[in-house]
Amino acid sequence: RKEVEQDPGPFNVPEGATVAFNCTYSNSASQSFFWYRQDCRKEPKLLMSVYSSGNEDGRFTAQLNRASQYISLLIRDSKLSDSATYLCVVNHNQGGKLIFGQGTELSVKP
Amino acid sequence: DAGVIQSPRHEVTEMGQEVTLRCKPISGHDYLFWYRQTMMRGLELLIYFNNNVPIDDSGMPEDRFSAKMPNASFSTLKIQPSEPRDSAVYFCASGSYEQYFGPGTRLTVT
Repeated sequence: RKEVEQDPGPFNVPEGATVAFNCTYSNSASQSFFWYRQDCRKEPKLLMSVYSSGNEDGRFTAQLNRASQYISLLIRDSKLSDSATYLCVVNHNQGGKLIFGQGTELSVKP
Repeated sequence: DAGVIQSPRHEVTEMGQEVTLRCKPISGHDYLFWYRQTMMRGLELLIYFNNNVPIDDSGMPEDRFSAKMPNASFSTLKIQPSEPRDSAVYFCASGSYEQYFGPGTRLTVT
């Protein structure tokens, strides 16, 4: 079993739709959680950190459930520019190794 | 800040040749990471450094791969001899709690 597992996708949605990505992690000692975004043939870029209380950044909302070892990302009012691969990322200790999920591809259509 | 800088951006070489990838991390970041990304295996951590010292090289695939960080502003990843299965995008990242990726080196070994 992979340490970080994500919905395989791809997700094809119309502009304006709300889309949710889910991710589970296997190591209960994991301490830090992130969502990264990767555009085609580009480097991964940090989208947002995920905090225990949940956090929001504009149209993006991230949630963490430590008991279920589950992370989610909600994108509201999706835009064409949101089309990318979204990577769920977990860190076991501060400053150390990041474990990346395989990513979920999102395609937003006009 | 210029962000993480990698060179070359593209490298095409023949099997058996030595390949050297270079990385300049963001100034002030204590950690430096080397990743490899392929369609089949996704994003894999090869090795990371803290304050120029290698901390975990368990992801380095075999002895043909080596990495150095002679000072806080420079690191190299060397493959000698290269093989076609080494073809991938190699990313360097720096940071601690949050990691910031360079644009990557796209390596093709023929």
